[in-house]
Amino acid sequence: GQNIDQPTEMTATEGAIVQINCTYQTSGFNGLFWYQQHAGEAPTFLSYNVLDGLEEKGRFSSFLSRSKGYSYLLLKELQMKDSASYLCAVRDGSGGYQKVTFGTGTKLQVIP
Amino acid sequence: DTGVSQDPRHKITKRGQNVTFRCDPISEHNRLYWYRQTLGQGPEFLTYFQNEAQLEKSRLLSDRFSAERPKGSFSTLEIQRTEQGDSAMYLCASSLAGTGLRGTEQYFGPGTRLTVT
Repeated sequence: GQNIDQPTEMTATEGAIVQINCTYQTSGFNGLFWYQQHAGEAPTFLSYNVLDGLEEKGRFSSFLSRSKGYSYLLLKELQMKDSASYLCAVRDGSGGYQKVTFGTGTKLQVIP
Repeated sequence: DTGVSQDPRHKITKRGQNVTFRCDPISEHNRLYWYRQTLGQGPEFLTYFQNEAQLEKSRLLSDRFSAERPKGSFSTLEIQRTEQGDSAMYLCASSLAGTGLRGTEQYFGPGTRLTVT
C-alpha cells in the first residue's frame, strides 16, 4: 500500500517563498507528481520527479529524495492566485501497474 | 479546458437509485482513471484502465460500483443503489502510458458532482 503525508494548511505572504513538504511510503516507487487544485476545480499538473534532485519550472520547483521518501514543492514570488490546494501524488509501478495515489492536499492561503 | 470531458457535471438522485457517469478522455491517451473526491480531501483512487482493460480496482470500492471502457476510448462509471455516503465529486483523468523519465501526467476532467438525497 501507499502512505502519503503533507501538511493540511499553510499560510504565506504575497511575494514570499513557501515550501510544501510531502513524505511517502510505497513499495514500487515510480514517480512523484505535484498538482494544484483551486476550490471547485479539477487538479492541474505542476511538476514531476522520478530521479533525485530539483526540477525547476518558472516560479515553481520540486525536489525529490527517494532514499528518504521525501519531496517538496517550492513556490517563489507568491501571488494571490497561488491560493489553492497542492496535492502530492505518488505512482506505484509494482506488479506492472501504474496506480497513482494522491495525498490529502495542503491548502495554501496567500495573504497580502 | 484540458480536453477531458465528463457528463453530467451535476447529478442529484434519490437514495437507492442507479446513476451512470461518462468520461471522454484525450483521444490519444490510453490510460483512464476514476477518482472520488470529498471536501478537504485529495482524490481517492477508484479504478484505472489501460486501453479497454481494467487493470486495478480499489479494495475500498464496493460491488455497487462498476466501470467500463468497452472500446478503449470513453468510459462509464455506474453506481447502483446509491447511498448518501456516495455524495462526492467523481473525477476522471487520462494519460499516456509510459514509465521512468516520461512524466505522463494525468489530465483531469471537470468532474461530476453527485448529491444523493
